[in-house]
Amino acid sequence: QIQLVQSGPELKKPGESVKISCKASGYTFTDYAMNWVKQAPGNGLKWMGWINTQTGKPTYADDFKQRFVFSLETSASTAYLQINNLNIEDTATYFCTREWRFDYWGQGVMVTVSS
Amino acid sequence: DVLMTQTPVSLPVSLGGQVSISCRSSQSLVHSDGNTYLHWYLQKPGQSPQLLIYRVSNRFSGVPDRFSGSGSGTDFTLKISRVEPEDLGVYYCLQSTHFPPTFGGGTKLELK
Repeated sequence: QIQLVQSGPELKKPGESVKISCKASGYTFTDYAMNWVKQAPGNGLKWMGWINTQTGKPTYADDFKQRFVFSLETSASTAYLQINNLNIEDTATYFCTREWRFDYWGQGVMVTVSS
Repeated sequence: DVLMTQTPVSLPVSLGGQVSISCRSSQSLVHSDGNTYLHWYLQKPGQSPQLLIYRVSNRFSGVPDRFSGSGSGTDFTLKISRVEPEDLGVYYCLQSTHFPPTFGGGTKLELK
């Protein structure tokens, strides 16, 4: 069955970086793009961007162009989200989700940024 | 960006009842390829969102026929009949016709 399994929760200090993973299984990884979605505590969903899993080309939403990096390890069917220079507003749950339908979702990674 | 407005924000329901959720977009969601990329999701407490309906009215694999989607252009509706306990949570609409994809603000379905 199709699964997206994400890495565990993270506790970071302001200014630090974090890299979270999303491992896909049950389908051919390079056949479907991967999106990243942010959900701040008690809030709704915000699309961060997507990565073309065939070419590795990332596309970022305007609010996520500065400190956010999408990458791949295709041999491991894994997508990554790195956030640099963390600030308090980055405290959120981050989801990976597949292609234009957002049909399958990872379980989410809670990133807490606190001094 | 396309603004997606969901109403109501909160929706009390009795088990076995029927409800409708509205999602309106600030511009038409008809893509140049003729498709309308409007989708519906349910996020149960403590879980990730799950796809219910894609492209307005297509039920995703395993979704019961109690869920139905309709609409066109800028006005869309999700109907849930015979509400069951596992239907409770927050419902979101999403448009992926225009860049960037945007979500509605959510509708919380809760027991009366």
